[in-house]
Amino acid sequence: AQTVTQSQPEMSVQEAETVTLSCTYDTSESNYYLFWYKQPPSRQMILVIRQEAYKQQNATENRFSVNFQKAAKSFSLKISDSQLGDTAMYFCAFMKHGILHGGSQGNLIFGKGTKLSVKP
Amino acid sequence: KAGVTQTPRYLIKTRGQQVTLSCSPISGHRSVSWYQQTPGQGLQFLFEYFSETQRNKGNFPGRFSGRQFSNSRSEMNVSTLELGDSALYLCASSLDVGTVLAKNIQYFGAGTRLSVL
Repeated sequence: AQTVTQSQPEMSVQEAETVTLSCTYDTSESNYYLFWYKQPPSRQMILVIRQEAYKQQNATENRFSVNFQKAAKSFSLKISDSQLGDTAMYFCAFMKHGILHGGSQGNLIFGKGTKLSVKP
Repeated sequence: KAGVTQTPRYLIKTRGQQVTLSCSPISGHRSVSWYQQTPGQGLQFLFEYFSETQRNKGNFPGRFSGRQFSNSRSEMNVSTLELGDSALYLCASSLDVGTVLAKNIQYFGAGTRLSVL
């Protein structure tokens, strides 16, 4: 079974600074997808960034980037130039790439989340 | 394009009752997944529907069930409610369950907050 671990329950960062959120996962699969989702206090879960395991290049979306270390099973999220609107719960998630269904298994496995507070 | 819509947003029920939650996916999305979010257990996968068929199921008791209609709208039902069923129930939709990552990205609704008294 796959597991996702986020070892930092809470973090805080000053506005305009950079912060890195950690995520490790455990799987015996070789092909899978990894995601970071953001859940602001209003509760709507929003996709921040995604990564395909077979791609060595780290994904980047504007101020958000990941450090994907497949051998170490690590998938950290870096937020540059932090903004007040980045305050939220951040969830790391894993999705198995299933052969039987011709693709993914259709479900996300989430970590417990990291509560990020951006301070002015 | 409208996002994923979940109704109702809030529900209060008592133990032993049953409840039905509704989810309308993004237009064109055929896969709908349900998740339970609690402070203690975090986000847990309930089930996934695709083309009116349950494709995948999490580790929840049979009191939790769901279905999907021909227009991809989905409902989940919880019978004989227990206090521990109090949670935020999230629905997510995706284009498809296939080999292309873009088709597998799940978009979430705002959730239904269920309180069981």
